[in-house]
Amino acid sequence: NAGVTQTPKFQVLKTGQSMTLQCAQDMNHNSMYWYRQDPGMGLRLIYYSASEGTTDKGEVPNGYNVSRLNKREFSLRLESAAPSQTSVYFCASSSLQGGIGNQPQHFGDGTRLSIL
Amino acid sequence: GEDVEQSLFLSVREGDSSVINCTYTDSSSTYLYWYKQEPGAGLQLLTYIFSNMDMKQDQRLTVLLNKKDKHLSLRIADTQTGDSAIYFCAEKGTSGTYKYIFGTGTRLKVLA
Repeated sequence: NAGVTQTPKFQVLKTGQSMTLQCAQDMNHNSMYWYRQDPGMGLRLIYYSASEGTTDKGEVPNGYNVSRLNKREFSLRLESAAPSQTSVYFCASSSLQGGIGNQPQHFGDGTRLSIL
Repeated sequence: GEDVEQSLFLSVREGDSSVINCTYTDSSSTYLYWYKQEPGAGLQLLTYIFSNMDMKQDQRLTVLLNKKDKHLSLRIADTQTGDSAIYFCAEKGTSGTYKYIFGTGTRLKVLA
């Protein structure tokens, strides 16, 4: 049972290069999320997709774009990478769109991205 | 706005109990979660508590919720070296239904 799979696990880019981070989940979850994790700052939400066909900005969306390709896949794109985007990126998914219910997020193992 | 705060570091001796604290601001939170992150890995759900509960026990883990003070704690009994990790508190409110707010994480170091 794979859960949430992120690729690649590591990547080094030069400033100005573009790159797409891939995420896929096999739990039939409706909602998917992209976070970045920086030392001392916890997790910050970049974008999320409440359901297939919708995407919304989170706390730190500038410099990123996303695509919810289908129910399983949610990709994050850096069009012109900057050193400030050096971070660890996590994809997560959860089961319900709303209402009462325990809906924990399930996380991938992360993509460690360095921008030189 | 919504915010979740945690202390950054905690150090305990093997066999002692660890208590990791968290405060949150969103009074409409329905569920509060504790996640564990080991080096090089993603966040793994440890346990959760519904906002109408005061306490939840799950083997070595005890979660206490003080809704009046908006304070959540995670107690790990008989702490082992394998418990060394970063622990994140998170809330999910009814006001931003799709959003989860995470604390900065508490790095727990267990000394042998």
